[in-house]
Amino acid sequence: GAVVSQHPSRVICKSGTSVKIECRSLDFQATTMFWYRQFPKQSLMLMATSNEGSKATYEQGVEKDKFLINHASLTLSTLTVTSAHPEDSSFYICSARDFTGTALTDTQYFGPGTRLTVL
Amino acid sequence: AQKVTQAQTEISVVEKEDVTLDCVYETRDTTYYLFWYKQPPSGELVFLIRRNSFDEQNEISGRYSWNFQKSTSSFNFTITASQVVDSAVYFCALSEVNDMRFGAGTRLTVKP
Repeated sequence: GAVVSQHPSRVICKSGTSVKIECRSLDFQATTMFWYRQFPKQSLMLMATSNEGSKATYEQGVEKDKFLINHASLTLSTLTVTSAHPEDSSFYICSARDFTGTALTDTQYFGPGTRLTVL
Repeated sequence: AQKVTQAQTEISVVEKEDVTLDCVYETRDTTYYLFWYKQPPSGELVFLIRRNSFDEQNEISGRYSWNFQKSTSSFNFTITASQVVDSAVYFCALSEVNDMRFGAGTRLTVKP
């Protein structure tokens, strides 16, 4: 199946710094990528939907100025957590949509996740 | 808005027991997709199955089987003869047009 990578897999930073997380589709072009957030022992919550070449669509309650998303190419989307605080510590997972033209093959592939710890 | 309910928060079984994980969904769309994912302690989501709304055929893959019933809006997952390696959190998810919503997850513990 298709592969999605995330980098870094784990990051620890000081409060007030910004952190960038990359999500890449390795063997397919993803016109749409998604960013999820998962707190310990909780479910994945969709943060935003990112379409290549356009602004991301954020879910209600997600601060777009805090979580900057850039989908500059068909294989790369980045999430930047600006001025990170301890409450931003979480597991961030991206997914990429592989749409090859028919509904039967439309599916999402998930990256391995990035664990962010803000001290 | 679409919604996915996994009422079972935690399930604990002994190895070799069969276990069924429940998933009930809500959607107004006639075309949608249902998924099951496994999330082991490492955190990486493992894709298990994808089912389209127009395909109600049940599916079996080894020890795994899925029962999709549109009449009750359910998409249940059964593990036969469970093994310790099946211990993980299992998520049911629903996708309509362009996004995916997850249920709260069921933590399955299989004891030896």
